Amino acid sequence: KQEVTQIPAALSVPEGENLVLNCSFTDSAIYNLQWFRQDPGKGLTSLLLIQSSQREQTSGRLNASLDKSSGRSTLYIAASQPGDSATYLCAAHFGNEKLTFGTGTRLTIIP
Amino acid sequence: DTAVSQTPKYLVTQMGNDKSIKCEQNLGHDTMYWYKQDSKKFLKIMFSYNNKELIINETVPNRFSPKSPDKAHLNLHINSLELGDSAVYFCASSLATDTQYFGPGTRLTVL
Repeated sequence: KQEVTQIPAALSVPEGENLVLNCSFTDSAIYNLQWFRQDPGKGLTSLLLIQSSQREQTSGRLNASLDKSSGRSTLYIAASQPGDSATYLCAAHFGNEKLTFGTGTRLTIIP
Repeated sequence: DTAVSQTPKYLVTQMGNDKSIKCEQNLGHDTMYWYKQDSKKFLKIMFSYNNKELIINETVPNRFSPKSPDKAHLNLHINSLELGDSAVYFCASSLATDTQYFGPGTRLTVL
């Protein structure tokens, strides 16, 4: 069964610190993996997409990595800001034309 | 110039009623999706259409019927609404398996 897991469910970090969010998946035959953020009461905003042939992608203060052999992806956020507070979701595309989502990590940046 | 739009944003209705949610994307994408986000914030795919053809139909009750009149629209009609249908419904679109872009969501409350 293809599953995506995100631990922890919630994380609080002081402003200015760097942090890492974790995502693990059960099937190494992954096609791509996407990271999203969701603000309360809002839709999802795509942050980064990593293809299976890539090891990482960067956008501004965000860096996402993909390790297929270990079934893991991480989202690294540098110099965190209060505006980074949101729920972060990872979703894996296992080549069956649908995204399988993790349960998300609720991130709070403490000013 | 909203990329993926949904109407209505909120929908409150009685059990047993029939309701529709509309979705439109102006990104020129060929694939559109409906997701359900439950009270625990877990996102699960319901349907996916590619070029107006149904390609994913998860185990969703047949009270839910998607309709795609053209590539830019994917509407969701729900018959005989039940309490358990209360959730936030998200529409999304993509170009094949590339990044998915989400609408703002429709919060459905069944009384």
